[in-house]
Amino acid sequence: QQQVKQSPQSLIVQKGGISIINCAYENTAFDYFPWYQQFPGKGPALLIAIRPDVSEKKEGRFTISFNKSAKQFSLHIMDSQPGDSATYFCAASGNSGGYQKVTFGTGTKLQVIP
Amino acid sequence: SAVISQKPSRDICQRGTSLTIQCQVDSQVTMMFWYRQQPGQSLTLIATANQGSEATYESGFVIDKFPISRPNLTFSTLTVSNMSPEDSSIYLCSVYRGGLFFGSGTQLSVL
Repeated sequence: QQQVKQSPQSLIVQKGGISIINCAYENTAFDYFPWYQQFPGKGPALLIAIRPDVSEKKEGRFTISFNKSAKQFSLHIMDSQPGDSATYFCAASGNSGGYQKVTFGTGTKLQVIP
Repeated sequence: SAVISQKPSRDICQRGTSLTIQCQVDSQVTMMFWYRQQPGQSLTLIATANQGSEATYESGFVIDKFPISRPNLTFSTLTVSNMSPEDSSIYLCSVYRGGLFFGSGTQLSVL
């Protein structure tokens, strides 16, 4: 059972544009929603995260929007740059057996073209 | 955050052989996690390694195929045993410190 659904699978955005990646979850026990950025040949890096008690979190050009009632959250990348070209994973985590178990979305390959 | 060193960074192995991947963390952690990322796919948890106890494996992963050691609070190894081409993946070590942090991964190709 896929607990975190992510779309789109791939995304092409022009430099300076807004990149938007969407995720939906099913398990209401999730209490932490991070986004990861992965460049080829590297491990995923934690980019930004949100807890369900807030509806939005912004860090620089990256913003998470969170809709608890709809069980959806999204990543917005403002003023997208070619250096943002990477694969992005949303994730959701909750306590499972005494530790935070993290479930990942399927990933979105973002390409920002000059 | 966490600094996680993983080695080897990549390897090409023959079918039927085994590879041991090492993971070193910059400071003590209770739990370490091993993930697999198949080509172009998302991350799948293989097992959770607790120091001083046997690793806990996720559905679809077994100890005979992926034995894990956790001799102290900063180090763990994952062995991929009796490899087949289907084992070709990136293997990632991670720790949770207010968020999940990953090493750079081991890219394994099995011929």
